[in-house]
Amino acid sequence: NAGVMQNPRHLVRRRGQEARLRCSPMKGHSHVYWYRQLPEEGLKFMVYLQKENIIDESGMPKERFSAEFPKEGPSILRIQQVVRGDSAAYFCASSPTRENTEAFFGQGTRLTVV
Amino acid sequence: AQSVAQPEDQVNVAEGNPLTVKCTYSVSGNPYLFWYVQYPNRGLQFLLKYITGDNLVKGSYGFEAEFNKSQTSFHLKKPSALVSDSALYFCAVRDWEDSNYQLIWGAGTKLIIKP
Repeated sequence: NAGVMQNPRHLVRRRGQEARLRCSPMKGHSHVYWYRQLPEEGLKFMVYLQKENIIDESGMPKERFSAEFPKEGPSILRIQQVVRGDSAAYFCASSPTRENTEAFFGQGTRLTVV
Repeated sequence: AQSVAQPEDQVNVAEGNPLTVKCTYSVSGNPYLFWYVQYPNRGLQFLLKYITGDNLVKGSYGFEAEFNKSQTSFHLKKPSALVSDSALYFCAVRDWEDSNYQLIWGAGTKLIIKP
């Protein structure tokens, strides 16, 4: 059973471009969480999704950021018109239940905006 | 409001000595508590959790943590540190009452084990 898979591992974008980050949860997991980690800081919750539904997006910036978790395929975190402040590590976690008592994390995508 | 505090940015311990990484929390209801470890350029790995029951929780790699309700703490401990334990450690809490099951994270503590 493969773990949580995130790709790409590293992503470089110029200011104004779009960044698409993908997360494939563990097999059998239908709950996905996205977090952002700035250098030397802890994780900040962004969004919680279940298949085809956004459950909680209270941590997502109101503009330029969006997330989806379609019925088929990976969860996608999309950042439009990236700015330098978007540079961070983005982690995805999945869990089999809503209770989230042991989330499994991917290795993260490190986004660098130049 | 829920919060987690890891008061030490960095902890230095000599190999073979006991280690403690501190964590205190604040939730309105009962807490679920977690410790995760992050090695350089890697994702987070689950170490242990407290849900209910015995206040002393044993986890991976010889780590344990003690839930102390009166002090609202969940310190991570290991009797004898290894150089390979050097990493970034995160404490997280979830309130049983939180219907969205968000984890609230501490800022992390860098653990450095010196040979």
